[in-house]
Amino acid sequence: DGGITQSPKYLFRKEGQNVTLSCEQNLNHDAMYWYRQDPGQGLRLIYYSQIVNDFQKGDIAEGYSVSREKKESFPLTVTSAQKNPTAFYLCASSHGLAGAFGELFFGEGSRLTVL
Amino acid sequence: AQKVTQAQTEISVVEKEDVTLDCVYETRDTTYYLFWYKQPPSGELVFLIRRNSFDEQNEISGRYSWNFQKSTSSFNFTITASQVVDSAVYFCALSEDYGSSNTGKLIFGQGTTLQVKP
Repeated sequence: DGGITQSPKYLFRKEGQNVTLSCEQNLNHDAMYWYRQDPGQGLRLIYYSQIVNDFQKGDIAEGYSVSREKKESFPLTVTSAQKNPTAFYLCASSHGLAGAFGELFFGEGSRLTVL
Repeated sequence: AQKVTQAQTEISVVEKEDVTLDCVYETRDTTYYLFWYKQPPSGELVFLIRRNSFDEQNEISGRYSWNFQKSTSSFNFTITASQVVDSAVYFCALSEDYGSSNTGKLIFGQGTTLQVKP
């Protein structure tokens, strides 16, 4: 089945460690996105990529990094510079740019907890 | 600036009741898109509807209906005869159309947690 796979589902990290969250899609979508969700808040955009080898910062990119070497993959690294990394992270993709060209499709999310 | 407000943080109803989730948005653009997503306990956001700013017709899909009113900048969502399986967090979202500068970015409201009790 086509969809978006995020791994791991749960991740625990010690302070000062970098961690990488995986996001793979087999929907042949061009655009991919990373959102962060905190309790009682909406989703906030971290990074997005419209095409391979290109990505842009979203609203809360500080302390995060991404790469887009393949169309199917858009991994997110949460670095030690991110002051409050405990959150639920959602990866999404869209055929064209979401909005004018359709909706976002989401993965099941990765819950990161910093100990 | 773009903004989406879902003033209802939590709603609790008894099964078979009708429930309306409110969504108010702010935008400076004349062309924009509105969305509703459902987030069940599993965490994945499930797409429910997308509506562009030029289409003000209300939409019905089974027990779900949406009321889009540009005059009040609202895009409310009604579930008729609610069921326990409707329990989830519901998000309203907005995307503006910047033409060649589009980013595909969606602005999300804070979400409304709906609990449907048997």
